[in-house]
This record gives sequence, structure tokens and C-alpha cells, in this order.
Amino acid sequence: AQSVTQLGSHVSVSEGALVLLRCNYSSSVPPYLFWYVQYPNQGLQLLLKYTTGATLVKGINGFEAEFKKSETSFHLTKPSAHMSDAAEYFCAVTPGSQGNLIFGKGTKLSVKP
Amino acid sequence: EPEVTQTPSHQVTQMGQEVILRCVPISNHLYFYWYRQILGQKVEFLVSFYNNEISEKSEIFDDQFSVERPDGSNFTLKIRSTKLEDSAMYFCASIQWAGANVLTFGAGSRLTVL
Repeated sequence: AQSVTQLGSHVSVSEGALVLLRCNYSSSVPPYLFWYVQYPNQGLQLLLKYTTGATLVKGINGFEAEFKKSETSFHLTKPSAHMSDAAEYFCAVTPGSQGNLIFGKGTKLSVKP
Repeated sequence: EPEVTQTPSHQVTQMGQEVILRCVPISNHLYFYWYRQILGQKVEFLVSFYNNEISEKSEIFDDQFSVERPDGSNFTLKIRSTKLEDSAMYFCASIQWAGANVLTFGAGSRLTVL
């Protein structure tokens, strides 16, 4: 069975600071991993995904994530936070190329001026 | 940019009433999903739908829930007799083909059961 754990329901950073949102997963088969972002009153928007190949994946808005199999992690980072990054971020896993997304509880990112 | 459209954006209903949430998936997509997010909790899978039938459903998706695609464009979620615990944000999503593995989500329908 697949599961996702996001450490920290709320993360607050200053504008320009490093953003690090943590995600650990468990999967009995090679996982496909995703980060979604939800801005207020909007749907879930894909930030980036890992399926196969390069373990460091780059997404939109300057975000990237690294798949570390040994640590069963897929942490999301951005070198310099911007006010517009304030949103809720969801890590998700699916078993391989098919199957339904299993989401983490989400991490709300606040960016202080 | 094609998008998934959901209506209504917010519905308030009395406990025991029937509710229908509507979704218009992206036109060339073949697989359709409903997820829900109870306030403060994780996004949970409800049901997937392909070729006019349910392909998978979760434990949450009991006999009170049903889905259909009545006219080839709308994809609906019906809750027959709403309970307080059905209050949540309901997200529709679609995908072009099974291996594409990137769902496009709608903005959600917030259901409040009083």
C-alpha cells in the first residue's frame, strides 16, 4: 500500500529565503511522485513530477524536488521564496504509471515580507 | 489552456437532501475522477470512471454516492442523502489516458451540509 507523509502542516519563511517542504512516501512498487500546489479558491495545479530517469526534477515557478529512494523522500525546494508562493502544497504518490493518487495532508506555506 | 470546470463552486444543503455536483472534464480526456478534501485533512480518492463505468472506488464511496456521465460531456457526483460529515471540498479530475499519470483538477465544489 502507498502512503505519503508531509512533515509540518504549516511552514513560514521570509521572502528571499530557502523553501523546503518535506515529503516521505511508502510504496511497495516503484512510485511515481508528484507535488501539487493549491492557491486560495483554486484547484490543484501540478508543480512537478517524478516518474523515471533523472532523480532531480524541475517544475514551474522555480521549484524542484529530488527523489531519494534510500530515504524514501521527495522534498520540494525553492532557493528564494516569493510572496506569490504562499499556498498549500500537496505531495502525492501513485504506484507506477497507473493507479490513483494518494495525497499527503498538505503543507501551508506562508511567506513573510 | 484546457481546464476542468466544476459547478457549483459552493453549495449549502440540509442534512438528508440529495446533492449533485457537476464537472466538465477536458474534452479529449477519457478517465475521470472525484476526490474530496474535508477541511484540514488530506485530499482523498473517491472514485475513478472510464468507458461509462466505475473502474475503482474507495471505501468512502458507499451506496450514498453515485457517478454518471449522462450526456458525454458532464461527469456528475450524486450524494443521495447528505450527512454532516459529507461537508468537504470535492474535486473533479480528468486524464487523457491511463499512462499519462498527470491529473488535471478542477477548482472544486465546496459542499456544506447543515
